[in-house]
Amino acid sequence: NAGVTQTPKFRILKIGQSMTLQCTQDMNHNYMYWYRQDPGMGLKLIYYSVGAGITDKGEVPNGYNVSRSTTEDFPLRLELAAPSQTSVYFCASSDGRGVEKLFFGSGTQLSVL
Amino acid sequence: GQNIDQPTEMTATEGAIVQINCTYQTSGFNGLFWYQQHAGEAPTFLSYNVLDGLEEKGRFSSFLSRSKGYSYLLLKELQMKDSASYLCAVSDNDYKLSFGAGTTVTVRA
Repeated sequence: NAGVTQTPKFRILKIGQSMTLQCTQDMNHNYMYWYRQDPGMGLKLIYYSVGAGITDKGEVPNGYNVSRSTTEDFPLRLELAAPSQTSVYFCASSDGRGVEKLFFGSGTQLSVL
Repeated sequence: GQNIDQPTEMTATEGAIVQINCTYQTSGFNGLFWYQQHAGEAPTFLSYNVLDGLEEKGRFSSFLSRSKGYSYLLLKELQMKDSASYLCAVSDNDYKLSFGAGTTVTVRA
């Protein structure tokens, strides 16, 4: 009964470092999403995917990359970390059949110093 | 794009009723969602409206008027555990969800 699993839960990066946020789901959902949440700003969509091999940009994609080689996994890559990327990151999935009831992972709190 | 507005904060007393309003302007519309988010946790799904009218689910109800670009979430018989942020979200024609900034509800004894 895992649902959406994100790792790590917390991470501190130095400016210019790179890292990958992992996300995996075991519900066989086609749609997967990456959001970031800044205090008082709500959730902003970074990238999304409607199925394996298909990804598209959301509202705030700059500085990030994604891949979707399998239905289960949707990693988010930060290539050159910047302080503006300090945020809480949520991965989510849905079955994509019209009612977008999103299932969220527990989040990754990232600080770039 | 999407423009979604909701109040920043609301305070109410245990046992009372609170109504959280949400107005939106969207380029497409495939439904309006409400999510609950406790501090330090992930959002969880509360309700979904795609047609005009009221959807009731226990102590929570959600209303939609598509012509007015307006929704509200009604929380009845407030409990301390209802203290949380409530997020209004709209699905566009590409089935992407755009979220409002959230309304923090504080329930006082």
